[in-house]
Amino acid sequence: DVVMTQSPLSLPVTLGQPASISCRSSQSLVDGDGNTYLTWFQQRPGQSPRRLVYKVSNRESGVPDRFSGSGSGTDFTLKISAVEAEDVGVYYCMQGTHWPWTFGQGTKVEIK
Amino acid sequence: EVQLVESGGGLVQPGGSLRVSCAASGFTFSSYWMSWVRQAPGKGLEWVANIRQDGSEIQYVDSVKGRFTVSRDNAKNSLFLQINSLRAEDTAVYYCTRFSRGPLQNYWGQGTLVTVSS
Repeated sequence: DVVMTQSPLSLPVTLGQPASISCRSSQSLVDGDGNTYLTWFQQRPGQSPRRLVYKVSNRESGVPDRFSGSGSGTDFTLKISAVEAEDVGVYYCMQGTHWPWTFGQGTKVEIK
Repeated sequence: EVQLVESGGGLVQPGGSLRVSCAASGFTFSSYWMSWVRQAPGKGLEWVANIRQDGSEIQYVDSVKGRFTVSRDNAKNSLFLQINSLRAEDTAVYYCTRFSRGPLQNYWGQGTLVTVSS
């Protein structure tokens, strides 16, 4: 199975400051169709996961533009340009290229 | 409005069985792959299974193969997860999701908790 490794696992951030989460995969996530199926989810406390970004860098409809995804191959990043209080939660990367689809361990974002 | 509502969770003894359901509304259920994802209490997410629109293709993660069976009833807009030979490590919130790897909008249910304990 593809192992997804996130860092850091805990990210205290000051309101208004940027935040960055790294996600690395144990093998390339480039699919045979040329797409890279790397997804970022946000899970706020007590809520179901919510997709933020799909195929590395495409923002889901309704997701604020302070969230951005980047990367390629095996190395990916989710950035929040200026953290707001509502961004508190756990963020997961997930690969949908190789079955079984697998998640990173999660990064807990909290306000300092 | 798209809604996914899971039901059927509860407390089950090890070795027991349970059927979890997901009622879908607000979209043409028969047109979409559907999936189950689970989350053990306080832990991360695990993708459990996918089922094609007509049920002709189903994918399972190895840890549940032979014990979990996914099915769907397109006439009733419902997705099912039959869980047999339950183990303590199956204790989790089970989410139903209409997930797309691409631009189609994603939807998740609120989840249903399955607890395996004697």
